[in-house]
Amino acid sequence: GQQVMQIPQYQHVQEGEDFTTYCNSSTTLSNIQWYKQRPGGHPVFLIQLVKSGEVKKQKRLTFQFGEAKKNSSLHITATQTTDVGTYFCNSGAGSYQLTFGKGTKLSVIP
Amino acid sequence: DAGITQSPRHKVTETGTPVTLRCHQTENHRYMYWYRQDPGHGLRLIHYSYGVKDTDKGEVSDGYSVSRSKTEDFLLTLESATSSQTSVYFCAISVAGAANTGELFFGEGSRLTVL
Repeated sequence: GQQVMQIPQYQHVQEGEDFTTYCNSSTTLSNIQWYKQRPGGHPVFLIQLVKSGEVKKQKRLTFQFGEAKKNSSLHITATQTTDVGTYFCNSGAGSYQLTFGKGTKLSVIP
Repeated sequence: DAGITQSPRHKVTETGTPVTLRCHQTENHRYMYWYRQDPGHGLRLIHYSYGVKDTDKGEVSDGYSVSRSKTEDFLLTLESATSSQTSVYFCAISVAGAANTGELFFGEGSRLTVL
């Protein structure tokens, strides 16, 4: 599987502030998936990006796939306490092995 | 969540004992995965399966074996548990026709403590 690096590892924000996490690869990715894991829970699929330069939105969440398909970002506008959790990116590139980044743990201070 | 159940959900065992974790699905999906999750390491793939009796190693397969004798069950076995295998284990299935293009559905997790 391809290695993906996710930054930052931790992020503390005041409620209402924006948040961004990045997923980077040294090689071209066929697709990128994003998952959210609430504390004590299991990862839950958020979205998949496939096309170069693709941008998708889900309410306050904006997902981007880079033009070179080597990086991706997840941006949350005006964070809420319900956004707390760890966000993972995941890539697969022609193999069965799906490689996860180490995740970004988001804390939101009310 | 795509009919995935993991058992047991919690287990405490002693070093050197064998342990088997079971992942059961009700929807006949082809691709199944075992991950472990540890602080600072995220989710790491242990083994995966692409069909009955078709399995392969992931990035952290040492000390683990798997079996898939029927579509609905994917078993993860620790032949002789060690303290380093204390972790939360997640089973996942891919609902797409190809393993690397479909979203993964995860089970609730199995928390294993090896004393």
